[in-house]
Amino acid sequence: SQTIHQWPATLVQPVGSPLSLECTVEGTSNPNLYWYRQAAGRGLQLLFYSVGIGQISSEVPQNLSASRPQDRQFILSSKKLLLSDSGFYLCAWRSRPQDGELFFGEGSRLTVL
Amino acid sequence: ELKVEQNPLFLSMQEGKNYTIYCNYSTTSDRLYWYRQDPGKSLESLFVLLSNGAVKQEGRLMASLDTKARLSTLHITAAVHDLSATYFCAVDETYSGYALNFGKGTSLLVTP
Repeated sequence: SQTIHQWPATLVQPVGSPLSLECTVEGTSNPNLYWYRQAAGRGLQLLFYSVGIGQISSEVPQNLSASRPQDRQFILSSKKLLLSDSGFYLCAWRSRPQDGELFFGEGSRLTVL
Repeated sequence: ELKVEQNPLFLSMQEGKNYTIYCNYSTTSDRLYWYRQDPGKSLESLFVLLSNGAVKQEGRLMASLDTKARLSTLHITAAVHDLSATYFCAVDETYSGYALNFGKGTSLLVTP
């Protein structure tokens, strides 16, 4: 069966520090991968998506970046965090765009102080 | 721009009562998805509706899709406290790697 893991689950970072969130999918190959952010009490905002290794598309201009170094690995990064980067970050995957739903990881809660 | 609108955004209901959450969307998509989110947790898939007229039921929840009206409903029957959560509907965003575009969510609180 397919599984998706995100880490770390929780982190508190000072403004200006770097960030790295990692997501790994198991049990499938060549999935579409996504990073969403959910600000406190708000809906989900698509940040990045990837349809293959090294292929990253950004939906929102910001100080975040994403990379896909391996087929089932998706990384969200920042060189210098802002207060506005605080939120709940969710990685998701999808294997059949025609009729399958997105499956989400457990999420990473980031607080920037 | 694709829009997905849910209403109500907040709902407080008594146990045992029935209620419906509405999801309107602006594309011609024939697929719609419902998710549940418990406080502090990730999203869990509830229903995948793949065609016009699709109806799916799981316990006290029933979801339906009318693609001609661009409307989906999530009906709650005889609510219980365990149903308290935030419910999201979503449609395919075909120009973003088949991501999902989510509504703002409906926060449901079921009280005794």
